[in-house]
Amino acid sequence: AQSVSQHNHHVILSEAASLELGCNYSYGGTVNLFWYVQYPGQHLQLLLKYFSGDPLVKGIKGFEAEFIKSKFSFNLRKPSVQWSDTAEYFCAVKDTDKLIFGTGTRLQVFP
Amino acid sequence: DTGVSQDPRHKITKRGQNVTFRCDPISEHNRLYWYRQTLGQGPEFLTYFQNEAQLEKSRLLSDRFSAERPKGSFSTLEIQRTEQGDSAMYLCASSLEAGGADTQYFGPGTRLTVL
Repeated sequence: AQSVSQHNHHVILSEAASLELGCNYSYGGTVNLFWYVQYPGQHLQLLLKYFSGDPLVKGIKGFEAEFIKSKFSFNLRKPSVQWSDTAEYFCAVKDTDKLIFGTGTRLQVFP
Repeated sequence: DTGVSQDPRHKITKRGQNVTFRCDPISEHNRLYWYRQTLGQGPEFLTYFQNEAQLEKSRLLSDRFSAERPKGSFSTLEIQRTEQGDSAMYLCASSLEAGGADTQYFGPGTRLTVL
């Protein structure tokens, strides 16, 4: 079965800093990959997804992620974070029809 | 807003009691999923339905847990004889099956506390 690793458990940044959150999945083949975000007090929301095609995926709010098949990675990036990006970020891979999530990365952005 | 809705949002119960949660998916979605999330962890899959058929159940879903989707619309998740270890956020998600390229949209969750 698939598994997902998110190595950054807690990231603290100042506004305007660049962000990269790591995500690795366990095995290859055809993969569907997702990043979800959970803002404080809100439910999980889809940030972006990769099914096929261009490995550089753009999502909402200026986020992007790059699928690198050879590294089994799908890292999330944003060139300049804002205080409103403070949230928990979850990477997920589809395994048959269900999602397998990582443990999440808590991002705190200070003004 | 016609997103996924869940009821109740919070439930406090005593150990040994039965609880039932409801999920209403996005109206045209034929798939409905249940996940459980504990503090510091990502959501863990419990079970899912396509229309009214329950297609997969996780090993996490002990025989005290049962889920139904009788008419292919809303779903219920029942936990019998609750234990303190059942305390968690129970999340529902729905999707429109699209040849493997479907995207799951999540509801706000039901937070269960077992005393």
